[in-house]
Amino acid sequence: NAGVTQTPKFRVLKTGQSMTLLCAQDMNHEYMYWYRQDPGMGLRLIHYSVGEGTTAKGEVPDGYNVSRLKKQNFLLGLESAAPSQTSVYFCASTFLQGQGEAFFGQGTRLTVV
Amino acid sequence: AQSVAQPEDQVNVAEGNPLTVKCTYSVSGNPYLFWYVQYPNRGLQFLLKYITGDNLVKGSYGFEAEFNKSQTSFHLKKPSALVSDSALYFCAVRVGGYNKLIFGAGTRLAVHP
Repeated sequence: NAGVTQTPKFRVLKTGQSMTLLCAQDMNHEYMYWYRQDPGMGLRLIHYSVGEGTTAKGEVPDGYNVSRLKKQNFLLGLESAAPSQTSVYFCASTFLQGQGEAFFGQGTRLTVV
Repeated sequence: AQSVAQPEDQVNVAEGNPLTVKCTYSVSGNPYLFWYVQYPNRGLQFLLKYITGDNLVKGSYGFEAEFNKSQTSFHLKKPSALVSDSALYFCAVRVGGYNKLIFGAGTRLAVHP
């Protein structure tokens, strides 16, 4: 089992460029999440999905879009990257019947210059 | 507002000594509380959780945590620290539905030989 896999692991973008981060999980989890991690701020929820074809906004959704066309995949898009989006992005997933214990990917370190 | 606070940016402890990493929370209703650990360049790993029942919960790698409802705290503890315990520790609380989590800012634990 690979668990939760994120691609790419590192990326440098220029301001205004777009990109998509891919998250794939092989545990048949219903719920998936995108968080960003910034120093001194912990992890903050960007968007989440409770099932195939559904998405919802989290705490810091502005500047991001998401899609979940397949149950195992959750994509995070940046349409026009800004330096404020420089961060480490983590994808996570949980069981529907779970109580909150999440499985995390290894992260994507994104730098916007 | 619902929140999690980790009052210490860093905790230093000598190998073999007991360690405590502090966490306090503010949520409505009964809290579902979690501790996660992050090793360098890795995603977060679930350590333990409190849902209900015994106030002392045991988790992975010899860690335990004590839930105190009157003090709204959920401190992480270990009787004897190891150098390999050095990592970033996050306290989290489940909020709303769909297993969404709010994280504290994190506490860096440094265990010295």
